[in-house]
Amino acid sequence: QKEVEQNSGPLSVPEGAIASLNCTYSDRGSQSFFWYRQYSGKSPELIMSIYSNGDKEDGRFTAQLNKASQYVSLLIRDSQPSDSATYLCAVNEGDDKIIFGKGTRLHILP
Amino acid sequence: DTGVSQNPRHKITKRGQNVTFRCDPISEHNRLYWYRQTLGQGPEFLTYFQNEAQLEKSRLLSDRFSAERPKGSFSTLEIQRTEQGDSAMYLCASSLWDGTDGYTFGSGTRLTVV
Repeated sequence: QKEVEQNSGPLSVPEGAIASLNCTYSDRGSQSFFWYRQYSGKSPELIMSIYSNGDKEDGRFTAQLNKASQYVSLLIRDSQPSDSATYLCAVNEGDDKIIFGKGTRLHILP
Repeated sequence: DTGVSQNPRHKITKRGQNVTFRCDPISEHNRLYWYRQTLGQGPEFLTYFQNEAQLEKSRLLSDRFSAERPKGSFSTLEIQRTEQGDSAMYLCASSLWDGTDGYTFGSGTRLTVV
């Protein structure tokens, strides 16, 4: 059973600080990795994708991938109250199906 | 195009009844996916289509669940003889070709079985 593991949180971060979200995955052959944001009662929204080892930056968001360690992370700089949500790590497990972790609840403290 | 559309948004049904949900994907997307999400969990993959072909259905939760995409456009997910454990959010997503750029989700259908 291929798995994606995340700490469920909640992770509390002061406004303006860096939020760091982590994820590990079991399938060493996975090639595509995603971070989705989900507000309470809403559907997941894609915020970042990453395919190669290293960092990928988009505005305040940076995704980091280490395939050797089977580890994906998401950094949110200058955290805002509007960043309070559940962040879902997702992995393309092959045959083009994406599987999700349980999500990490992030709470930005004003 | 207004994105992935799901109907109804909410459905309350009595145990034992059949329910059907509809998903209209983004028009140029040829792949369509169904997921189920329960409280505190991530979305759980159910099934997916490429055009009208159902590529996998082994993860449908039981034989009470079935899905169709008859003309390669909209899709329906049916649950027969609903049980209280079927109460969840049912999410539809679509993508171009192979989903390597991630999926776009609809707003979901929240099912409550009483």
